Amino acid sequence: GQQVMQIPQYQHVQEGEDFTTYCNSSTTLSNIQWYKQRPGGHPVFLIQLVKSGEVKKQKRLTFQFGEAKKNSSLHITATQTTDVGTYFCAAVTGKLIFGQGTTLQVKP
Amino acid sequence: DSGVTQTPKHLITATGQRVTLRCSPRSGDLSVYWYQQSLDQGLQFLIQYYNGEERAKGNILERFSAQQFPDLHSELNLSSLELGDSALYFCASSGSGDNTGELFFGEGSRLTVL
Repeated sequence: GQQVMQIPQYQHVQEGEDFTTYCNSSTTLSNIQWYKQRPGGHPVFLIQLVKSGEVKKQKRLTFQFGEAKKNSSLHITATQTTDVGTYFCAAVTGKLIFGQGTTLQVKP
Repeated sequence: DSGVTQTPKHLITATGQRVTLRCSPRSGDLSVYWYQQSLDQGLQFLIQYYNGEERAKGNILERFSAQQFPDLHSELNLSSLELGDSALYFCASSGSGDNTGELFFGEGSRLTVL
C-alpha cells in the first residue's frame, strides 16, 4: 500500500541551530500537508503544498514540495525551545497517510 | 480548542472486552477520520467517513468497526481487545471529502488494555 517515509526519526539540536525533516513517497502525491504534535498534545495543521516545486514560508519555517511531487521537506531556521515536538508529513493519494514523524528536541 | 470532541479521554479495560470511542466533529465538517497512535509511533490511518458514508479505509483490523451517524458524530468500536490495541486513538474532522483541507484533531482517547 501507500508508503510515506520520513527521516530522520529523531533529531537533537542546540537552540539556534537549523533543523530539516524529509518526507518521501513511492508514488506521486496530489498534495502534502504538514502537522506538528507537541508532547502530550494532538497534531495541529501547519501547511498544505499542492503545486510541483512549491515553496512556502511561515516565519522561520520553510516548506518545499518536490518537482515530481514525490517528496517534501520542512526546514526550521534557528530553532527555539518552542519548536520542540514531532513533525509529521501527511500525503494525499486518495487517503491521508501520515509519515512516521520526526521528533525534534532542542537544547537551550 | 480544535472544535473536535472525543470521549472518553481515558479508558482502561481488559483483554477480550469491547469498547466504543466517540467523536463529534467540528460544526459543519462532513468528514471524520480515525487514526491510531501507539507509543512512539506515527499516526496509522484507520478509516474515513464523509457525510455518513465510508470514504476510505486503511489498515483497520476486522475486530474494529466504525460508523458515522446522521448527526455526523462518529463511533469507533473495538472488540476482542488485545494488549497490542493499547494506544491513543485520534479522531479528526475536515470540511472536505477529498483530503484537500486541513484536519482538525481531537484531544484523543487513550485506551489501555490490561
